[in-house]
Amino acid sequence: QSVLTQPPSVSGAPGQRVTISCTGSSSNIGGVYDVNWYQQLPGTAPKVVIFGNKNRPSGVPDRFSGFKSGASASLVISGLQVDDEADYYCQSYDNSLGAWVFGGGTQLTVL
Amino acid sequence: QLQLRESGPGLVKPSETLSLTCTVSGDSIKSRSHYWGWIRQPPGKGLEWLGSAYYNGNTHNKPSLKGRVITSVDTSKNQLSLTLTSVTAADTAIYYCARHSTTVTGPLDVWGQGTLVTVSS
Repeated sequence: QSVLTQPPSVSGAPGQRVTISCTGSSSNIGGVYDVNWYQQLPGTAPKVVIFGNKNRPSGVPDRFSGFKSGASASLVISGLQVDDEADYYCQSYDNSLGAWVFGGGTQLTVL
Repeated sequence: QLQLRESGPGLVKPSETLSLTCTVSGDSIKSRSHYWGWIRQPPGKGLEWLGSAYYNGNTHNKPSLKGRVITSVDTSKNQLSLTLTSVTAADTAIYYCARHSTTVTGPLDVWGQGTLVTVSS
């Protein structure tokens, strides 16, 4: 069981907006630690889409946005496209485990 | 352009030792701004960080793996290594190497393509 909790799956129609949540605790997200989000397309390595809770690397569309509040974080994808269909993972650091930790992953289906 | 490439045996027998290498090209592994880490993903499952190493030999490995994990860097070869001892079927996974900043919550910003390791007799 992952330290960071994500819904197993979310779905949306093209053009819609979806939100993927990531819930942690005071030893990780709820503390001083930022959240990063990764997109993993089928058969490929993960790619960072949000870092430091809300920042987008160059080349990531502004349809992707991130938020953090307390011990929870969210990835919002607006204007859904078929190419967004992938697995998404949140990631942070946990000081009680002394480890970098990932959420269990959320499979996004674009209907 | 920075590239990472994992290499090593695709099949390891139970109870034996898994050894992988990650070759870094396009940048020096002696960067003072980055750690170099290993992450794995069992087939159909999520991601798990295993350990990270710095160019000066400092390492930080996942405590819950109880000393089975050893990470190191070879600056002369610009390579990162992973050793995982006493493997079982549960260690079957795609193993990735990745770069991350020295800040504890910096992202894993460059990844290798991954290499599948199967533990089976």
